[in-house]
Amino acid sequence: DIVMTQSPDSLAVSLGERATINCKSSQSVVNSYTSKTHLAWYQKKPGQPPKLLIYGASTRESGVPVRFSGGGSETDFTLTISGLEAEDVAVYYCQQYCAVPRTFGQGTRVEIK
Amino acid sequence: QVQLVQSGAEVKKPGASVKVSCRTSGYTFTGNYIHWVRQAPGQGLEWMGCIEPKSGDTYYAQRFRGRVALTRDTSINTAYMDLSGLTSDDTATYYCAREQWFFRYWGQGSLVIVSS
Repeated sequence: DIVMTQSPDSLAVSLGERATINCKSSQSVVNSYTSKTHLAWYQKKPGQPPKLLIYGASTRESGVPVRFSGGGSETDFTLTISGLEAEDVAVYYCQQYCAVPRTFGQGTRVEIK
Repeated sequence: QVQLVQSGAEVKKPGASVKVSCRTSGYTFTGNYIHWVRQAPGQGLEWMGCIEPKSGDTYYAQRFRGRVALTRDTSINTAYMDLSGLTSDDTATYYCAREQWFFRYWGQGSLVIVSS
């Protein structure tokens, strides 16, 4: 199984400041058939299903604010929130969709400082 | 528009089974895998398994094999997750999600409480 490890487990950021979340996979999540990076980021708020933010490591989902950006390659990835807003308080998860079983990181809780 | 609507909350006794449904609409049901993900209170997202609606082929996470069964009814565009041998550790919100590699569309979640 591909193990996804996020850091930090939680972080507190002032409104308007940058939040950066890291995600490391135990092996490459580049799909050998598509040559695409199969890494997604989701935002999870209480009482709501997860919301897709980023796929392909860096492609922002339609309707997602531009302050959310994804980067990285092979095994190391980042999600950056540039200019944190109050509505961004949530838990964020990375997920690989390169192989079965699909696996998620343990989550990173983002709070307001 | 694509919609996944799940069945309501359930309260079960330890040792019992639960069956959660995921009714889909707005797309061709047999065109995309349906995955099941759960979140226990205070815990992260956990992938349970998936089903290809066209063939009925299934894939399960190792820790649920033998306890979970994913099925579908193509006549009503609905997928099902059946979990047996429930314990308090199975208290969680269960989600279905439509795959197009990643999970863009999710059901609203079904809370399952296991309590004596």
